[in-house]
Amino acid sequence: AQKITQTQPGMFVQEKEAVTLDCTYDTSDPSYGLFWYKQPSSGEMIFLIYQGSYDQQNATEGRYSLNFQKARKSANLVISASQLGDSAMYFCAMREGTTGYSTLTFGKGTMLLVSP
Amino acid sequence: GAVVSQHPSWVICKSGTSVKIECRSLDFQATTMFWYRQFPKQSLMLMATSNEGSKATYEQGVEKDKFLINHASLTLSTLTVTSAHPEDSSFYICSAIRQGRANEKLFFGSGTQLSVL
Repeated sequence: AQKITQTQPGMFVQEKEAVTLDCTYDTSDPSYGLFWYKQPSSGEMIFLIYQGSYDQQNATEGRYSLNFQKARKSANLVISASQLGDSAMYFCAMREGTTGYSTLTFGKGTMLLVSP
Repeated sequence: GAVVSQHPSWVICKSGTSVKIECRSLDFQATTMFWYRQFPKQSLMLMATSNEGSKATYEQGVEKDKFLINHASLTLSTLTVTSAHPEDSSFYICSAIRQGRANEKLFFGSGTQLSVL
């Protein structure tokens, strides 16, 4: 079974609008961490936001926020006020337990295109 | 600025030749680095964990003799694709763990696009 599921292969949004990128995860480990990365066409993976399984509040980083619904095992990324530079692939990832980044598993990604 | 440098960013080689990709942590020491492979429009797949001063740990299905990893210093890990074939063409990306006082963070290189003719 897939550990990280991103059901949206592509998303379109108009500049200045908000967009939500979906991510659901599957784990039986009570301790885990959820990450979102942005990969522009240049290839590098850019860390956006992190949510720990025991964090009480949803994570926020500037225009990025994570809608963490633990019972539903979802960790959707919300980008507010989209900008043209937000066009990129977005990957949701999960790290299980305390074994470090060697268990980091990525979803298949969502391509976001922001139009003027 | 980038904290992990990966070089080269792209390489084209003939079938049967070997290609070396370097991954450097620029302002920190990284005892652990990771190598991933990414096919077009696909996710990152972990190939191996590179440990400074010891042998790399390979994921199931990754050929150790095909993808040689050397982590001889705390700032450099190399991936050598030996006797490359067209099916090895892919995007290879490395990452390094930077240990902080309270936590550790993972930083990625900019990737290497390998094309084997």
